Amino acid sequence: GNSVTQMEGPVTLSEEAFLTINCTYTATGYPSLFWYVQYPGEGLQLLLKATKADDKGSNKGFEATYRKETTSFHLEKGSVQVSDSAVYFCAPGGSNYKLTFGKGTLLTVNP
Amino acid sequence: DTAVSQTPKYLVTQMGNDKSIKCEQNLGHDTMYWYKQDSKKFLKIMFSYNNKELIINETVPNRFSPKSPDKAHLNLHINSLELGDSAVYFCASSQEGANYGYTFGSGTRLTVV
Repeated sequence: GNSVTQMEGPVTLSEEAFLTINCTYTATGYPSLFWYVQYPGEGLQLLLKATKADDKGSNKGFEATYRKETTSFHLEKGSVQVSDSAVYFCAPGGSNYKLTFGKGTLLTVNP
Repeated sequence: DTAVSQTPKYLVTQMGNDKSIKCEQNLGHDTMYWYKQDSKKFLKIMFSYNNKELIINETVPNRFSPKSPDKAHLNLHINSLELGDSAVYFCASSQEGANYGYTFGSGTRLTVV
């Protein structure tokens, strides 16, 4: 089955700092790749996705590029805000029904 | 609003009790899921139903039993609750499998005392 290695947190940044959260995966074939975000006390929300190699997913200033050669999907944002404080999960899709999530990375952004 | 909705949001109960969590989606999706999130935020799939048929049944104690009366509903019944069952349980739905992503409910925080 699929597996995900995600950068361990917690990550603490100051507002307007640059963010990278690393994610590498193993999967059969060429799955779609997802980043989900979980704000405190809420469920997971889809943040962005990419469906094929070299695609770039983007949303709310976050970006991630599907790198088939390195099986990676690193999440980046150029200037984080306090409101970005949340837990971020990387997940490869696949031809079956099961999304396998990384362990989650807690991001705290201080003013 | 189109969504995945779970009830209750919070559930506090004593060890040994039996409880149910309900989930409904109005997105027209064919597949529904239950995930368990532990205190370290780790998410583990428990069950999945596709058009009312069980398709994923991970290593979960027999005390947990899912029921899907129709493709818009997936309920989770837990017998003889134990302290270790305390967690947040998330329902999710998807159309045509994992490559299309999931839509999650807001979770049910279960506390067993």
